[in-house]
Amino acid sequence: NAGVMQNPRHLVRRRGQEARLRCSPMKGHSHVYWYRQLPEEGLKFMVYLQKENIIDESGMPKERFSAEFPKEGPSILRIQQVVRGDSAAYFCASSQNPVTNEKLFFGSGTQLSVL
Amino acid sequence: QQPVQSPQAVILREGEDAVINCSSSKALYSVHWYRQKHGEAPVFLMILLKGGEQKGHDKISASFNEKKQQSSLYLTASQLSYSGTYFCGTETGANNLFFGTGTRLTVIP
Repeated sequence: NAGVMQNPRHLVRRRGQEARLRCSPMKGHSHVYWYRQLPEEGLKFMVYLQKENIIDESGMPKERFSAEFPKEGPSILRIQQVVRGDSAAYFCASSQNPVTNEKLFFGSGTQLSVL
Repeated sequence: QQPVQSPQAVILREGEDAVINCSSSKALYSVHWYRQKHGEAPVFLMILLKGGEQKGHDKISASFNEKKQQSSLYLTASQLSYSGTYFCGTETGANNLFFGTGTRLTVIP
């Protein structure tokens, strides 16, 4: 059973370009969470999605950032017109059921570097 | 909604013990603990659900005081492999998990 798969592992973009980060949850998992981590800092919650629905996007900037988890295919975190401050590691995690009594499985992350 | 962890960093010699604390300003439904090694993904350690619950995992255990909205992670007889950053994650009823800023643990020979 493959774990949570994130790609690309590393992504380099120039300021103003778009970044698309993909996350395939574990098989059978319908809950996906995105977190951002700056060097030497904690995991900052961005967005929580279930299949086709955004449940909580309170941690995601209102502008330039969007997320989706379609019925088929991976979850996508999209950052438009990237700026240097977007450089960070972006982790995706998934669970089979709501997180109250369920552990999260994390992907290996996407390291985004904005030049 | 982010919980507060303390200490921020701790250095131990092999065999020593450590306690990492996590507190929240909101009522908690559950507390999770994860460990992240440098350059890797966070890995699950344990979940605590009920007030006063304690759990153990080898020489790593944790407690959850629901009334005080606090949890503590206990590492006893530390090993080199325990080095990493420990995060507590708190769930406040929205089926979502917010992580603390982390505690960096370094175990030296």
